[in-house]
Amino acid sequence: RKEVEQDPGPFNVPEGATVAFNCTYSNSASQSFFWYRQDCRKEPKLLMSVYSSGNEDGRFTAQLNRASQYISLLIRDSKLSDSATYLCVVSGRGGSARQLTFGSGTQLTVLP
Amino acid sequence: DVKVTQSSRYLVKRTGEKVFLECVQDMDHENMFWYRQDPGLGLRLIYFSYDVKMKEKGDIPEGYSVSREKKERFSLILESASTNQTSMYLCAGGGTYEQYFGPGTRLTVT
Repeated sequence: RKEVEQDPGPFNVPEGATVAFNCTYSNSASQSFFWYRQDCRKEPKLLMSVYSSGNEDGRFTAQLNRASQYISLLIRDSKLSDSATYLCVVSGRGGSARQLTFGSGTQLTVLP
Repeated sequence: DVKVTQSSRYLVKRTGEKVFLECVQDMDHENMFWYRQDPGLGLRLIYFSYDVKMKEKGDIPEGYSVSREKKERFSLILESASTNQTSMYLCAGGGTYEQYFGPGTRLTVT
């Protein structure tokens, strides 16, 4: 079983749609959780951290359910510029908070 | 602005060659990482370093070695390149949690 599992997609949605991505992780000792974004042929970049209480950054909302070991990302009012691959990331591999485990990513295409 | 640079964007090498991939960060971070990224497999950790002259194996260290002689520089070495090492190689530097990636080196071994 992969440590971090994501639906690879692709998700093809029209502009203005709301889309949700889910992710599960296997290491119950993981302490920190993130969503990274990777544009085509570019490096991954941090999109947002994920907190147990849930957090929002503009059109993006991230949620964490520790009991179910489940992370989600909701994007409202999708823009063409949101087209990218979204990587679910957890810390705590090898018992170290400094090491991150990356999911394989969910590909999103927002259509005009 | 945080910056991680990698020596080459594209590289083509022959089987059996020794290959050096260089990474430099300007963030003064202790931690540096080398990953490879392949379709369907995501990012896989090859090696990482928490300090100068320190190195730790990641998930897939076989066929690779690393060198960290200065804090800002972390090198990945393919001792004898093979075709299954054709991949995108990403270097990252980071603090406790967030990692900043370089633009990547797409290596093709023929």
